[in-house]
Amino acid sequence: SQTIHQWPATLVQPVGSPLSLECTVEGTSNPNLYWYRQAAGRGLQLLFYSVGIGQISSEVPQNLSASRPQDRQFILSSKKLLLSDSGFYLCAWSAVPRSYGYTFGSGTRLTVV
Amino acid sequence: ELKVEQNPLFLSMQEEKNYTIYCNYSTTSDRLYWYRQDPGKSLESLFVLLSNGAVKQEGRLMASLDTKARLSTLHITAAVHDLSATYFCAVAVFQGAQKLVFGQGTRLTINP
Repeated sequence: SQTIHQWPATLVQPVGSPLSLECTVEGTSNPNLYWYRQAAGRGLQLLFYSVGIGQISSEVPQNLSASRPQDRQFILSSKKLLLSDSGFYLCAWSAVPRSYGYTFGSGTRLTVV
Repeated sequence: ELKVEQNPLFLSMQEEKNYTIYCNYSTTSDRLYWYRQDPGKSLESLFVLLSNGAVKQEGRLMASLDTKARLSTLHITAAVHDLSATYFCAVAVFQGAQKLVFGQGTRLTINP
């Protein structure tokens, strides 16, 4: 069966520090991968998605970047965090070419102080 | 640009009552999803609705889809406290990959 792992679960970082969040999927090949952010008490905003190794699409301009160095690994990064980067970050995967929704990881709660 | 709107955004109800959450979306899509989120947790998939008139039921929750009206409903029957959570609908768009556009979420509180 397929599983998705996301870490760390919680992170407190100072403004201006770098960020690296990692997500890996097991039990499937060539998944579509996604990063969403949820601000406190709000809905989900799609940040990045990837249909293959090295293929990254950005949905909104921001202080973050994403990379997919391996088929089942998706990384969210920042060189210098802003206070506005705080939120709940969720990684998700879906099968290709079309699938029945996403499966979400457990999420990372990021607080920038 | 696809917009997805849920209402109400907040709902406080008593156990054993019935209520409905509405999800409207602005452009054509052939699939709609409902997710549940408990406080501090990730999203759990509840229903996938794939065609006009689709109805899915699981326990006290029932979801339906009217693609002509671009409307989905999540109906709660005889609510119990365990159903307290935030419920999201999400509509699929295909632009290079399947992307889900989420509604704002409905925070449901069920009081004993």
